[in-house]
Amino acid sequence: GQNIDQPTEMTATEGAIVQINCTYQTSGFNGLFWYQQHAGEAPTFLSYNVLDGLEEKGRFSSFLSRSKGYSYLLLKELQMKDSASYLCAVGDPGAGSYQLTFGKGTKLSVIP
Amino acid sequence: DSGVTQTPKHLITATGQRVTLRCSPRSGDLSVYWYQQSLDQGLQFLIQYYNGEERAKGNILERFSAQQFPDLHSELNLSSLELGDSALYFCASSVGGAGGPVETQYFGPGTRLLVL
Repeated sequence: GQNIDQPTEMTATEGAIVQINCTYQTSGFNGLFWYQQHAGEAPTFLSYNVLDGLEEKGRFSSFLSRSKGYSYLLLKELQMKDSASYLCAVGDPGAGSYQLTFGKGTKLSVIP
Repeated sequence: DSGVTQTPKHLITATGQRVTLRCSPRSGDLSVYWYQQSLDQGLQFLIQYYNGEERAKGNILERFSAQQFPDLHSELNLSSLELGDSALYFCASSVGGAGGPVETQYFGPGTRLLVL
């Protein structure tokens, strides 16, 4: 099984940088995803890490340490539209399945 | 727009009833996944179909069932509905789904189900 932990809520200021952490305990591991979800809308894919290190994609970066069971999502130059929930999800190799297990999400509020 | 479509967008029904939710995956995707999202539980994986066959099962109740048709669209059937089944139901799709590195899943807009 999988256990994924993220902070429930965070607040940050427009223009600033925020780091959202995710820790996981898994019986197997086949990659870690970050999704953004605005209230009442579909999750949208942000990033994917399968090897240790940092993946950068514009204002968003994601880091993974498999030995520590740890990832973070870094958002730079925060904008008001970044107010959303950020979901960490771990790929479970399972029986040849692409099943993802999601954390409960971190609700980020960006304030002026 | 992810390319995944879901109908209906909203559904209001009564306890004990049965409903069917429909999903069409992105063009070319063979796998369809169903998730339930309620306020206190987050996104819960229900079931995966790959090219018409059930591939993985998560926390899906016996009252719920799904299938994937030859044209790859999928339906999730919810029966004997209870108040606690009120939630957002999302469908997602991916290109493959049978072994190898895990793939990105793309989500549809969801169906909001309210059971009264």
